[in-house]
Amino acid sequence: DVKVTQSSRYLVKRTGEKVFLECVQDMDHENMFWYRQDPGLGLRLIYFSYDVKMKEKGDIPEGYSVSREKKERFSLILESASTNQTSMYLCASSPLRGIGEKLFFGSGTQLSVL
Amino acid sequence: GENVEQHPSTLSVQEGDSAVIKCTYSDSASNYFPWYKQELGKRPQLIIDIRSNVGEKKDQRIAVTLNKTAKHFSLHITETQPEDSAVYFCAASTGTNAGKSTFGDGTTLTVKP
Repeated sequence: DVKVTQSSRYLVKRTGEKVFLECVQDMDHENMFWYRQDPGLGLRLIYFSYDVKMKEKGDIPEGYSVSREKKERFSLILESASTNQTSMYLCASSPLRGIGEKLFFGSGTQLSVL
Repeated sequence: GENVEQHPSTLSVQEGDSAVIKCTYSDSASNYFPWYKQELGKRPQLIIDIRSNVGEKKDQRIAVTLNKTAKHFSLHITETQPEDSAVYFCAASTGTNAGKSTFGDGTTLTVKP
């Protein structure tokens, strides 16, 4: 079974702090994604990556950056956390096939910014 | 970019009844349409998907239909059970941009015993 592991289940940070959310997958997937989940708003794509050191903006990249130094690891960075970034963050991965493939999700990180 | 609308936002049915969730998409290039189920406190997991070269797909009590002309697709759950209670998300994606998926806002399904 594919395993997508997010380093923290719950995280509490203060406004202005730099926050790192880590995600590791063990199935050699090329594609990795960071989504944000808010009630009534579904899953919104923040950033994605299709290869090491490659990154692309999603639909809501403002206030976030990412890093992919190794194929299995995709990090989401909040440069200066703000209260409106309080949310559930979901990492996902999928293999590269040329057509759509299902996403394998991590368990999520519930981030609270105070 | 792609826009996916999902209805209804909440759905309550009696155990044994059928449930239908509908989604529309905007990008005619979308060719892959997955459905994810997220139980309370858990990660979303794929329950069924359909590609644009197929009009209908069935897996036991769940089925998905796709109308490419109208750009809508639907999830059908028959003989609902309490364990079907969850949030269901539809999504649409193309083969480009790492196959990134655009999600609907989700439907909270409650099955009353």
